Amino acid sequence: SQKIEQNSEALNIQEGKTATLTCNYTNYSPAYLQWYRQDPGRGPVFLLLIRENEKEKRKERLKVTFDTTLKQSLFHITASQPADSATYLCALVGTGGGNKLTFGTGTQLKVEL
Amino acid sequence: KAGVTQTPRYLIKTRGQQVTLSCSPISGHRSVSWYQQTPGQGLQFLFEYFSETQRNKGNFPGRFSGRQFSNSRSEMNVSTLELGDSALYLCASSFGGGNTIYFGEGSWLTVV
Repeated sequence: SQKIEQNSEALNIQEGKTATLTCNYTNYSPAYLQWYRQDPGRGPVFLLLIRENEKEKRKERLKVTFDTTLKQSLFHITASQPADSATYLCALVGTGGGNKLTFGTGTQLKVEL
Repeated sequence: KAGVTQTPRYLIKTRGQQVTLSCSPISGHRSVSWYQQTPGQGLQFLFEYFSETQRNKGNFPGRFSGRQFSNSRSEMNVSTLELGDSALYLCASSFGGGNTIYFGEGSWLTVV
């Protein structure tokens, strides 16, 4: 069955460091992958989208890579700040068309002073 | 521009009742999807509508249904509520397949 795994443990890092979050998937052929941020009690907020034929995408302090051979995406936040503390979710959309997102379990990031 | 709007934000229902949740997508978006989020199961896809037609469906019982109107607004209905239906229900919209998907703030449903 399809499976999307993210770091199950919470990630604690110091302010100013780079946070790296992992998203691994199995039994899936995604057309594209999206990363979201979710704060407690709020809906997910879109951060970045990367397509299967793209290796890397950047937006300000954010960078995402997508390796369809390894079946893995890495999400980086450089120069992290306490305001970056949240749960980060990766979500895949298959090649069958439509907008059905399959989500990972999320990684809770805490940036400490 | 206005984001995805969901109503009501919070509601409490009794077991056996039914509930209807509403979603207004971002202007111009024709795809509306619904998700259920619980601590145990995470975010799970319920269904997607595009131009008033259901395009995708998740693995939920028939008690969960939805529809989309000609103005792209959508509603979802849960009948014969069970305690396990307590969750955050999220609506998301996009222009269509392959585009960024934007979420609303969700409707918190508590079944007692």
